[in-house]
Amino acid sequence: EIVMTQSPATLSVSPGERVTLSCRASQSVSSNLAWYQQKPGQAPRLLIYGASTRATGIPARFSGSGSGTEFTLTISSLQSEDFAVYYCQRYNNWPPYTFGQGSKLEIK
Amino acid sequence: QLQLQQSGPGLVKPSETLSLTCTVSGGSISSSGYYWGWIRQPPGKGLEWIGSISYSGGTYYNPSLKSRVTISVDTSKNQFSLKLSSLTAADTAVYYCARPQSTDAFEAFDIWGQGTMVTVSS
Repeated sequence: EIVMTQSPATLSVSPGERVTLSCRASQSVSSNLAWYQQKPGQAPRLLIYGASTRATGIPARFSGSGSGTEFTLTISSLQSEDFAVYYCQRYNNWPPYTFGQGSKLEIK
Repeated sequence: QLQLQQSGPGLVKPSETLSLTCTVSGGSISSSGYYWGWIRQPPGKGLEWIGSISYSGGTYYNPSLKSRVTISVDTSKNQFSLKLSSLTAADTAVYYCARPQSTDAFEAFDIWGQGTMVTVSS
């Protein structure tokens, strides 16, 4: 089974900063990689799929990159509403879905 | 706009079977071509895919849960359902239903239900 590892587990940042979160796959997942944002008490929200395609309605400050085993989610200028937990997810090959353990963005 | 509405009990006893339903509104579950999924999240932990069911009724389960999971679809009610048997405290979690963002089998989930917190306790 493909294991997804995210780093860092927690990141303390200030509004306005640029943030980069990492996700590594134990073997290649091609570009079958998604990023989700989850706030307390809410369902996850799809941000990025296909490693770099923004989902409908997602602000341009969110961008994804990478392929194979190394992926990044970048938030160009952190807004107050962006403090949340972010998960990467690989999809498609069997078993079809595996999530990373999450990266939490905290206010510094 | 398509929406998913979950229903089911929030408290289930150990060794019993959890039953949850996800009702689809704003679209037809049988003609959609999607592979509808169930995902869970233990308190304070990450997300785990439980299984998926195709528009035609084909089922796909997480190997770690396969022996205890049944997912079914009721097209007459525009619903799909999850049953998880032989519950233990480790099954305590928020359970979500979800729809992938395209009909290409297993894709990222872009529409989620509201989540149901299920506690396994006597």
